[in-house]
Amino acid sequence: KNQVEQSPQSLIILEGKNCTLQCNYTVSPFSNLRWYKQDTGRGPVSLTIMTFSENTKSNGRYTATLDADTKQSSLHITASQLSDSASYICVVSANPMTTDSWGKFQFGAGTQVVVTP
Amino acid sequence: DVKVTQSSRYLVKRTGEKVFLECVQDMDHENMFWYRQDPGLGLRLIYFSYDVKMKEKGDIPEGYSVSREKKERFSLILESASTNQTSMYLCASQGTGRLGEQYFGPGTRLTVT
Repeated sequence: KNQVEQSPQSLIILEGKNCTLQCNYTVSPFSNLRWYKQDTGRGPVSLTIMTFSENTKSNGRYTATLDADTKQSSLHITASQLSDSASYICVVSANPMTTDSWGKFQFGAGTQVVVTP
Repeated sequence: DVKVTQSSRYLVKRTGEKVFLECVQDMDHENMFWYRQDPGLGLRLIYFSYDVKMKEKGDIPEGYSVSREKKERFSLILESASTNQTSMYLCASQGTGRLGEQYFGPGTRLTVT
């Protein structure tokens, strides 16, 4: 079972509207959580990285939240633009001091966002 | 500007062929990764390298091998390509520290016929 679950799988929003994507994880012990944006045919690009002590982080019109107690994160897109059409991927890392390899990021399957004019 | 490049954007190979995918980064990063990405499954780690000549198996290493002879270059080898290895392959690099940014290449779309 995937340790990182994202919802919804896909969504369509009108240009200018806001939307929120969800990420639930079971990775433990937790180290950090990242959100990536992946345009079609390209590699993912980092939007935010949050550690246990951070509960909000912004990058322009993107705002990520983290509740480490409930193991949930969200990515909010404000005033969406056509260029926001992409897949958004949630990635969680376990604490490297307690795993045999800190190279292992756990990836969600992504939420496909389509912004229409 | 940070750059991770991959040798091919699209590749078509026949079943049984040996396939080389190359990745080069210009950031002097210690850590490099090979992932495959399939619809609905997310990225899955094939191999990880934390230094020259050092490698570690990821979640799905079967049918693959890797080579890291120089710090900037990490190669993925499909010893005998099979149709179930048709996928998008993504290379990434990351600096030291657990909060290091991970930078991805543009990906190679491999089709095995």
